[in-house]
Amino acid sequence: GDSVTQMEGPVTLSEEAFLTINCTYTATGYPSLFWYVQYPGEGLQLLLKATKADDKGSNKGFEATYRKETTSFHLEKGSVQVSDSAVYFCALSTNTGNQFYFGTGTSLTVIP
Amino acid sequence: NAGVTQTPKFQVLKTGQSMTLQCAQDMNHEYMSWYRQDPGMGLRLIHYSVGAGITDQGEVPNGYNVSRSTTEDFPLRLLSAAPSQTSVYFCASRQTGTGPYNEQFFGPGTRLTVL
Repeated sequence: GDSVTQMEGPVTLSEEAFLTINCTYTATGYPSLFWYVQYPGEGLQLLLKATKADDKGSNKGFEATYRKETTSFHLEKGSVQVSDSAVYFCALSTNTGNQFYFGTGTSLTVIP
Repeated sequence: NAGVTQTPKFQVLKTGQSMTLQCAQDMNHEYMSWYRQDPGMGLRLIHYSVGAGITDQGEVPNGYNVSRSTTEDFPLRLLSAAPSQTSVYFCASRQTGTGPYNEQFFGPGTRLTVL
C-alpha cells in the first residue's frame, strides 16, 4: 500500500549548518507530496508542497523536489536557525485525494 | 476565517468516562479527519469523513466514534476512556480531490490524559 518513510531522528545541528531530512514514498499513480512542520505545543502547519514530478516546493528557505525516478521528496535548507527547531513530517496524498499518509516525523534541534 | 478549531485544549479523564472532542472548520471543506499523535508513532488516522453523513474508519478506530451531521462539524467521541487513549488529538480538514488544493489544515490539538 501507499506509505511514507522518513529519516529517523532526532537531528541536532549548529546554527547555519546545512539540513537534509530524507523522505521516500511508495504510491501508485501520481501522489501529491508535502512537508509539514510542528513547533512545540502546536498543531501541524504546511511548510511546502509539490503536486507533480520535478516540481520544487519552497518556503522560508526550505526546499524539496518531487523526484519520481527515486520516489523521494527530501527536505533541505542551506542555513538553519534556532527558530527552525521543530518536528518535520513528510506526507503524501493519493490520486483519489481521500487518503493522506504521514511519516513518523523527524525532530530537529538547532543549537546556537 | 478561524480555520480549524478544536475544544477543549486539555482534558483529564478517569478510566471509563466518556467525552466528546469538538472540531469545527469554516472553510467549507468536505473532507475532515481525526488523528492521534503518540511519541515515536507519528500521526495515526482514527476516522475520516468525505462529506456530511459519510464517515469511515482509519488505521486506529477502536474505542472512538464519529458522526458528521454538518459540513462544519466533526466531533470525536470516546465512549469509555482507557489509559491507552492518552494522546494528543488533531482534527484536520481539506478539499476533496487531487491537485494543489488538497493540503490538510490542522487544528491546534487536544491533549488528553486518561488516568
